[in-house]
Amino acid sequence: SQTIHQWPATLVQPVGSPLSLECTVEGTSNPNLYWYRQAAGRGLQLLFYSVGIGQISSEVPQNLSASRPQDRQFILSSKKLLLSDSGFYLCAWSGTVYEQYFGPGTRLTVT
Amino acid sequence: GENVEQHPSTLSVQEGDSAVIKCTYSDSASNYFPWYKQELGKRPQLIIDIRSNVGEKKDQRIAVTLNKTAKHFSLHITETQPEDSAVYFCAASKGYDKIIFGKGTRLHILP
Repeated sequence: SQTIHQWPATLVQPVGSPLSLECTVEGTSNPNLYWYRQAAGRGLQLLFYSVGIGQISSEVPQNLSASRPQDRQFILSSKKLLLSDSGFYLCAWSGTVYEQYFGPGTRLTVT
Repeated sequence: GENVEQHPSTLSVQEGDSAVIKCTYSDSASNYFPWYKQELGKRPQLIIDIRSNVGEKKDQRIAVTLNKTAKHFSLHITETQPEDSAVYFCAASKGYDKIIFGKGTRLHILP
Protein backbone atom coordinates (compact mmCIF):
# COMPACT_ATOMS: atom_id res chain seq x y z
CA SER A 1 0.00 0.00 0.00
CA GLN A 2 0.99 3.61 -0.46
CA THR A 3 2.45 5.72 2.33
CA ILE A 4 3.34 9.39 2.41
CA HIS A 5 5.89 10.85 4.81
CA GLN A 6 6.65 14.41 5.77
CA TRP A 7 9.32 15.83 8.01
CA PRO A 8 9.85 17.50 10.25
CA ALA A 9 6.52 17.31 12.06
CA THR A 10 7.00 20.67 13.76
CA LEU A 11 9.42 23.50 13.15
CA VAL A 12 10.07 26.88 14.75
CA GLN A 13 12.19 29.22 12.66
CA PRO A 14 13.15 32.90 12.98
CA VAL A 15 12.17 35.44 10.35
CA GLY A 16 14.71 35.58 7.55
CA SER A 17 15.96 32.03 8.02
CA PRO A 18 15.84 29.40 5.24
CA LEU A 19 13.34 26.55 5.05
CA SER A 20 13.38 23.04 3.67
CA LEU A 21 10.46 20.66 4.07
CA GLU A 22 10.57 17.19 2.60
CA CYS A 23 7.88 14.82 1.42
CA THR A 24 8.30 11.28 0.14
CA VAL A 25 5.81 8.73 -1.13
CA GLU A 26 6.20 4.96 -0.98
CA GLY A 27 4.40 2.22 -2.85
CA THR A 28 3.63 4.01 -6.09
CA SER A 29 5.47 5.37 -9.08
CA ASN A 30 5.09 8.64 -10.98
CA PRO A 31 2.61 10.18 -8.56
CA ASN A 32 1.26 13.69 -8.88
CA LEU A 33 2.57 15.61 -5.89
CA TYR A 34 1.19 18.72 -4.20
CA TRP A 35 2.16 21.23 -1.52
CA TYR A 36 -0.60 22.99 0.41
CA ARG A 37 -0.50 25.54 3.19
CA GLN A 38 -3.21 25.95 5.78
CA ALA A 39 -3.23 29.02 8.02
CA ALA A 40 -4.80 28.55 11.45
CA GLY A 41 -8.53 27.96 11.12
CA ARG A 42 -8.46 28.48 7.38
CA GLY A 43 -8.79 26.51 4.16
CA LEU A 44 -6.31 24.66 1.97
CA GLN A 45 -4.15 26.86 -0.24
CA LEU A 46 -2.45 25.03 -3.09
CA LEU A 47 1.14 26.24 -3.42
CA PHE A 48 2.76 23.90 -5.97
CA TYR A 49 2.00 20.74 -7.86
CA SER A 50 4.12 18.40 -9.92
CA VAL A 51 3.20 15.78 -12.50
CA GLY A 52 6.77 14.47 -12.89
CA ILE A 53 10.43 14.91 -12.07
CA GLY A 54 11.52 18.49 -12.64
CA GLN A 55 7.96 19.57 -13.57
CA ILE A 56 6.65 22.12 -11.08
CA SER A 57 3.62 24.37 -11.40
CA SER A 58 3.35 27.33 -9.06
CA GLU A 59 -0.05 28.45 -7.91
CA VAL A 60 0.95 31.32 -5.65
CA PRO A 61 3.92 33.60 -6.47
CA GLN A 62 5.76 34.29 -3.23
CA ASN A 63 9.01 33.56 -1.48
CA LEU A 64 8.54 29.79 -1.61
CA SER A 65 9.84 27.34 -4.20
CA ALA A 66 9.47 23.63 -4.80
CA SER A 67 11.61 20.96 -6.37
CA ARG A 68 11.16 17.33 -7.33
CA PRO A 69 14.61 15.79 -7.55
CA GLN A 70 13.31 12.20 -7.59
CA ASP A 71 10.08 10.56 -8.69
CA ARG A 72 8.67 10.21 -5.18
CA GLN A 73 10.34 13.15 -3.44
CA PHE A 74 8.96 16.66 -3.22
CA ILE A 75 10.74 19.50 -1.42
CA LEU A 76 9.42 22.90 -0.36
CA SER A 77 11.99 25.62 0.23
CA SER A 78 12.41 29.24 1.11
CA LYS A 79 15.54 31.38 1.24
CA LYS A 80 14.11 33.83 3.76
CA LEU A 81 11.03 33.13 5.84
CA LEU A 82 8.37 35.74 6.57
CA LEU A 83 6.02 35.84 9.55
CA SER A 84 3.17 35.18 7.11
CA ASP A 85 4.76 31.85 6.17
CA SER A 86 3.58 30.32 9.45
CA GLY A 87 1.06 27.56 8.99
CA PHE A 88 0.39 23.88 8.52
CA TYR A 89 2.15 22.57 5.41
CA LEU A 90 0.63 19.52 3.82
CA CYS A 91 2.05 17.39 1.08
CA ALA A 92 -0.34 15.25 -0.95
CA TRP A 93 -0.18 12.70 -3.73
CA SER A 94 -2.49 11.26 -6.33
CA GLY A 95 -1.98 8.42 -8.77
CA THR A 96 -3.69 7.07 -11.85
CA VAL A 97 -6.99 7.05 -9.99
CA TYR A 98 -8.53 10.32 -8.97
CA GLU A 99 -8.13 10.09 -5.19
CA GLN A 100 -5.70 12.44 -3.47
CA TYR A 101 -4.14 11.63 -0.10
CA PHE A 102 -2.45 13.95 2.35
CA GLY A 103 0.68 13.48 4.41
CA PRO A 104 0.74 14.11 8.17
CA GLY A 105 1.86 17.72 7.73
CA THR A 106 4.51 20.03 9.13
CA ARG A 107 3.48 22.74 11.54
CA LEU A 108 5.72 25.76 10.94
CA THR A 109 5.93 28.71 13.29
CA VAL A 110 7.96 31.70 12.16
CA THR A 111 9.00 33.92 15.08
CA GLY B 1 -10.72 27.98 -13.87
CA GLU B 2 -12.79 25.93 -11.47
CA ASN B 3 -14.34 27.62 -8.45
CA VAL B 4 -15.94 25.72 -5.57
CA GLU B 5 -18.29 27.44 -3.14
CA GLN B 6 -19.19 25.72 0.15
CA HIS B 7 -21.97 26.49 2.62
CA PRO B 8 -22.43 26.93 5.48
CA SER B 9 -19.07 27.92 6.94
CA THR B 10 -20.19 26.75 10.38
CA LEU B 11 -22.91 24.25 11.29
CA SER B 12 -24.13 23.15 14.70
CA VAL B 13 -26.47 20.18 15.07
CA GLN B 14 -27.76 18.19 18.00
CA GLU B 15 -26.28 14.75 18.44
CA GLY B 16 -28.45 12.25 16.59
CA ASP B 17 -29.74 14.79 14.08
CA SER B 18 -28.67 15.03 10.44
CA ALA B 19 -26.19 17.48 8.94
CA VAL B 20 -26.08 18.69 5.35
CA ILE B 21 -23.24 20.60 3.70
CA LYS B 22 -23.69 22.00 0.21
CA CYS B 23 -21.23 22.89 -2.52
CA THR B 24 -21.44 24.36 -6.00
CA TYR B 25 -18.88 24.25 -8.76
CA SER B 26 -18.38 26.33 -11.87
CA ASP B 27 -16.62 24.12 -14.44
CA SER B 28 -19.04 21.75 -16.17
CA ALA B 29 -16.07 19.58 -17.19
CA SER B 30 -15.42 18.60 -13.55
CA ASN B 31 -16.21 14.94 -13.05
CA TYR B 32 -14.84 13.99 -9.64
CA PHE B 33 -16.12 15.31 -6.30
CA PRO B 34 -14.38 14.20 -3.10
CA TRP B 35 -15.15 15.12 0.50
CA TYR B 36 -12.50 15.40 3.19
CA LYS B 37 -12.79 15.46 6.97
CA GLN B 38 -10.14 17.25 9.01
CA GLU B 39 -10.01 16.80 12.74
CA LEU B 40 -8.23 19.38 14.83
CA GLY B 41 -4.48 19.35 14.24
CA LYS B 42 -4.61 16.47 11.79
CA ARG B 43 -4.42 15.96 8.05
CA PRO B 44 -7.55 16.01 5.85
CA GLN B 45 -8.86 12.49 5.31
CA LEU B 46 -10.83 11.40 2.24
CA ILE B 47 -14.16 10.13 3.54
CA ILE B 48 -16.25 9.70 0.41
CA ASP B 49 -16.25 10.71 -3.22
CA ILE B 50 -18.53 10.64 -6.22
CA ARG B 51 -17.97 10.70 -9.94
CA SER B 52 -20.13 12.42 -12.48
CA ASN B 53 -21.68 9.22 -13.82
CA VAL B 54 -23.37 8.63 -10.44
CA GLY B 55 -26.08 10.68 -8.75
CA GLU B 56 -25.75 9.38 -5.22
CA LYS B 57 -23.36 7.32 -3.13
CA LYS B 58 -23.72 6.05 0.43
CA ASP B 59 -21.30 4.70 2.99
CA GLN B 60 -22.94 3.86 6.31
CA ARG B 61 -24.05 7.18 7.85
CA ILE B 62 -22.66 9.43 5.14
CA ALA B 63 -23.97 10.03 1.64
CA VAL B 64 -23.19 12.37 -1.22
CA THR B 65 -25.54 13.56 -3.92
CA LEU B 66 -24.62 15.20 -7.20
CA ASN B 67 -26.75 17.31 -9.50
CA LYS B 68 -24.73 17.85 -12.68
CA THR B 69 -27.32 20.07 -14.30
CA ALA B 70 -27.31 22.50 -11.40
CA LYS B 71 -23.62 21.95 -10.71
CA HIS B 72 -24.04 21.29 -7.04
CA PHE B 73 -23.29 18.43 -4.70
CA SER B 74 -23.97 17.77 -1.04
CA LEU B 75 -22.74 15.76 1.92
CA HIS B 76 -25.33 14.23 4.24
CA ILE B 77 -24.44 12.84 7.65
CA THR B 78 -27.22 11.02 9.49
CA GLU B 79 -27.44 10.11 13.18
CA THR B 80 -24.59 12.46 14.00
CA GLN B 81 -22.15 11.49 16.75
CA PRO B 82 -19.60 13.52 18.73
CA GLU B 83 -16.77 12.12 16.59
CA ASP B 84 -18.34 13.76 13.54
CA SER B 85 -17.21 17.14 14.88
CA ALA B 86 -14.55 18.36 12.43
CA VAL B 87 -13.99 20.60 9.43
CA TYR B 88 -15.34 19.20 6.17
CA PHE B 89 -14.02 20.21 2.75
CA CYS B 90 -15.71 19.58 -0.56
CA ALA B 91 -13.71 19.61 -3.77
CA ALA B 92 -13.98 19.22 -7.52
CA SER B 93 -11.64 18.19 -10.29
CA LYS B 94 -11.50 16.94 -13.84
CA GLY B 95 -9.74 13.82 -12.61
CA TYR B 96 -6.46 14.35 -14.41
CA ASP B 97 -6.12 17.86 -13.04
CA LYS B 98 -5.54 19.38 -9.61
CA ILE B 99 -8.34 19.31 -7.06
CA ILE B 100 -10.04 22.59 -6.20
CA PHE B 101 -11.24 22.78 -2.60
CA GLY B 102 -14.06 24.69 -0.99
CA LYS B 103 -13.26 26.81 2.05
CA GLY B 104 -14.56 24.30 4.54
CA THR B 105 -17.46 23.82 6.97
CA ARG B 106 -16.84 23.58 10.68
CA LEU B 107 -19.34 21.05 12.05
CA HIS B 108 -20.13 21.06 15.76
CA ILE B 109 -22.11 18.19 17.24
CA LEU B 110 -23.94 19.42 20.35
CA PRO B 111 -24.57 17.01 23.25
